[in-house]
Amino acid sequence: QVQLVQSGAEVKKPGASVKVSCKTSGYTFTSFGITWVRQAPGQGLEWMAWISTYNGNTNYAQKLQGRVTVTTDTSTSTAYMELRSLRSDDTAVYYCARDLGVTWRWFDPWGQGTLVTVSS
Amino acid sequence: EIVLTQSPATLSLSPGERATLSCRASQSISNFLAWYQQKPGQAPRLLIYDASNRATGIPARFSGSGSGTDFTLTISSLEPEDFAVYYCQQRNDWPLTFGGGTKVEIK
Repeated sequence: QVQLVQSGAEVKKPGASVKVSCKTSGYTFTSFGITWVRQAPGQGLEWMAWISTYNGNTNYAQKLQGRVTVTTDTSTSTAYMELRSLRSDDTAVYYCARDLGVTWRWFDPWGQGTLVTVSS
Repeated sequence: EIVLTQSPATLSLSPGERATLSCRASQSISNFLAWYQQKPGQAPRLLIYDASNRATGIPARFSGSGSGTDFTLTISSLEPEDFAVYYCQQRNDWPLTFGGGTKVEIK
């Protein structure tokens, strides 16, 4: 079955960087895009970025542009999200999710989430 | 950026009742709208895409309608497992955006 398994929780200091992985299985990796969404404690969903696993094209949320990079490793069917210059308001659960197609931009299933805590 | 406004913020209903959730877009998005369900401590799950298509495995009591700027998610008869938060999402244009969510709680 299709699975997205994310890396474990992280605690980072302000100004540091974090890289979250999303290892996929159960399908052809390059046939479905991947998106990243975060959720601050008690808040709603915030879209961050999307990557085409087929050709590497990316789109980023304007407010995160310059601080976030999403990449893929097709040899291991794994997607990555790196967020730099962390601030306290980056504390959130970070999710990866699979596109319904190459570029459908509807997402299911989702990874289990990775809690990133930014604290001094 | 396309803003999605969901209403009401909270819906208090009893099992067996009908739930009607609204999502309004700040500009026309054709039928490029999806609905997700999120339960506490869990990742979201896709319910509806392209405004009215049920995702795989989603029960028939969930239905979506609308086009342009006004969209509705209807749960025809609430089951105990349907009490959750529901989000809409648009894919008409970048950046992708989510609504603020509607919490369906037990009355």
